[in-house]
Amino acid sequence: GAVVSQHPSRVICKSGTSVKIECRSLDFQATTMFWYRQFPKQSLMLMATSNEGSKATYEQGVEKDKFLINHASLTLSTLTVTSAHPEDSSFYICSGGGPTTDTQYFGPGTRLTVL
Amino acid sequence: AQSVTQLGSHVSVSEGALVLLRCNYSSSVPPYLFWYVQYPNQGLQLLLKYTSAATLVKGINGFEAEFKKSETSFHLTKPSAHMSDAAEYFCAVSKGDKIIFGKGTRLHILP
Repeated sequence: GAVVSQHPSRVICKSGTSVKIECRSLDFQATTMFWYRQFPKQSLMLMATSNEGSKATYEQGVEKDKFLINHASLTLSTLTVTSAHPEDSSFYICSGGGPTTDTQYFGPGTRLTVL
Repeated sequence: AQSVTQLGSHVSVSEGALVLLRCNYSSSVPPYLFWYVQYPNQGLQLLLKYTSAATLVKGINGFEAEFKKSETSFHLTKPSAHMSDAAEYFCAVSKGDKIIFGKGTRLHILP
């Protein structure tokens, strides 16, 4: 089946620093990738949708200058949390779009802790 | 607008008992509906999905769900719970190429 990986799986950083999270589709090409954030004991909230080679589309309330998304190839998308603060601590999950619009393959997630 | 409501943030069942996790949807058009499972500190795994074919959908790990248009429901069931079923379960609905998730139900299995 389709596999999506994320790196790193866990990251701890100091407040004010930037953190980059990679999302890779290992055995398929993902024209579209999605980034979600999940706070403890809550559901996944879509942050943005990115299409290869174009700018990401952010959901309402998500700061595009703080959460930089790059989708430079059909197998790699990155999320950079700039000037991270403790309130950015969360579980970030990416997914790659499959052959139909209703199909997404999810990565294992990245736990970000900002001190 | 498409959305889903999961009734009960926590459900506890005894090992071997029936599992029933409730999900109601609202959609202006026939929806695509999903159930995902999430184990601690892991991503989501698709259990099953409804795409307007058969109303009874069978998924992995012995789970199934029935689409009932008259009740706008898509409840998830499993005849006999196993300890390994303890996890968070999310009902979801598609909205274009996006997936909208419910708040989740944590399933606890009692020995």
